[in-house]
Amino acid sequence: DGGITQSPKYLFRKEGQNVTLSCEQNLNHDAMYWYRQDPGQGLRLIYYSQIVNDFQKGDIAEGYSVSREKKESFPLTVTSAQKNPTAFYLCASSAPGDTEAFFGQGTRLTVV
Amino acid sequence: AQSVTQPDIHITVSEGASLELRCNYSYGATPYLFWYVQSPGQGLQLLLKYFSGDTLVQGIKGFEAEFKRSQSSFNLRKPSVHWSDAAEYFCAVNDYKLSFGAGTTVTVRA
Repeated sequence: DGGITQSPKYLFRKEGQNVTLSCEQNLNHDAMYWYRQDPGQGLRLIYYSQIVNDFQKGDIAEGYSVSREKKESFPLTVTSAQKNPTAFYLCASSAPGDTEAFFGQGTRLTVV
Repeated sequence: AQSVTQPDIHITVSEGASLELRCNYSYGATPYLFWYVQSPGQGLQLLLKYFSGDTLVQGIKGFEAEFKRSQSSFNLRKPSVHWSDAAEYFCAVNDYKLSFGAGTTVTVRA
């Protein structure tokens, strides 16, 4: 079945450590997105990529980094510079000319 | 810059009653508009979308939405709510990136 897979579903890290969240899609979509979700704040765009080897900052990119070396993969690294990393992270993808986005099931990151 | 506003943070509705969720957008041209639904701890599911044409759009689960250019609105409606409709609902707009409103939480009482 085609879809978007985020792993792991739950992730715990100690403060000061970098952590990488995985996002893989087999939908052959060019565009991929990372969102952060906090209660009462909706989804805020962290980074997006319209094509392999290219990506742009979203609204809250500080403290995060991404890579897009393969079409199907768009990993997100939460660095120690991110002041409040505990949140629910959602990955999405969309096809060219189709602005509808498909979402993964999310990763809940807790930093202690 | 595009933006999406959902004025209602939380709505409580009785089962069987009608539901309307408000969405206003700020964008120069006619945007691509979406409504998504999210159950707790899950990803988002698309309910419906508007690109052009008929301003009344039908979606899944009995939902519909109406695009009103003069009011910059894209409100979501359902004539009769079921307990399973309790969830969080997000309005979104897309030109070169997909931007979301803050969401409206719907509680359904018996």
